[in-house]
Amino acid sequence: EAGVVQSPRYKIIEKKQPVAFWCNPISGHNTLYWYRQNLGQGPELLIRYENEEAVDDSQLPKDRFSAERLKGVDSTLKIQPAELGDSAVYLCASSQPGRGAEQFFGPGTRLTVL
Amino acid sequence: DAKTTQPTSMDCAEGRAANLPCNHSTISGNEYVYWYRQIHSQGPQYIIHGLKNNETNEMASLIITEDRKSSTLILPHATLRDTAVYYCIVRVTGANNLFFGTGTRLTVIP
Repeated sequence: EAGVVQSPRYKIIEKKQPVAFWCNPISGHNTLYWYRQNLGQGPELLIRYENEEAVDDSQLPKDRFSAERLKGVDSTLKIQPAELGDSAVYLCASSQPGRGAEQFFGPGTRLTVL
Repeated sequence: DAKTTQPTSMDCAEGRAANLPCNHSTISGNEYVYWYRQIHSQGPQYIIHGLKNNETNEMASLIITEDRKSSTLILPHATLRDTAVYYCIVRVTGANNLFFGTGTRLTVIP
């Protein structure tokens, strides 16, 4: 079974530039999550999707962050414009219906903003 | 959600059992204890979960005290590949959002 796929694995950009991360969840997992992980900290939830619907985006900084999950499968997380403080690892995870506490994570995208 | 407390770091000799403690004194009756680990440069990986009975799978064993205020994750024969950050999370089963703390950094020493 293929795991959660994320790309790119690494991204270096200058501040004020836009950046996008892509995630392909495990087949059949209708719930998709985006987390941000700062150095030395645990992951923190940014947004959760149930199929196409964003059901929890309370921690997403909406002035510069946006996300979409068209057709309820792949998802894209965008930052525009990026700031120095956005440097972090962005993790995507997915879970089966009714089993939200057993999440499967991708390898993450390490973003460095210069 | 109940708060968890874990030691910041631990060492374990290769081949020996690694016992990782977690305190969750405010746990509610319907909250489960979940363990995840995160190997360097990878995303977190689910290990095991339990409610009140001890649990075992191919990766680890979970021992929950009778009062459910603490638990211990046991890796019976630690290998170098078990070096990782281990997160103890308390959550109502089926609930979607996981709240990770800073976890315990386990280093397995040759």
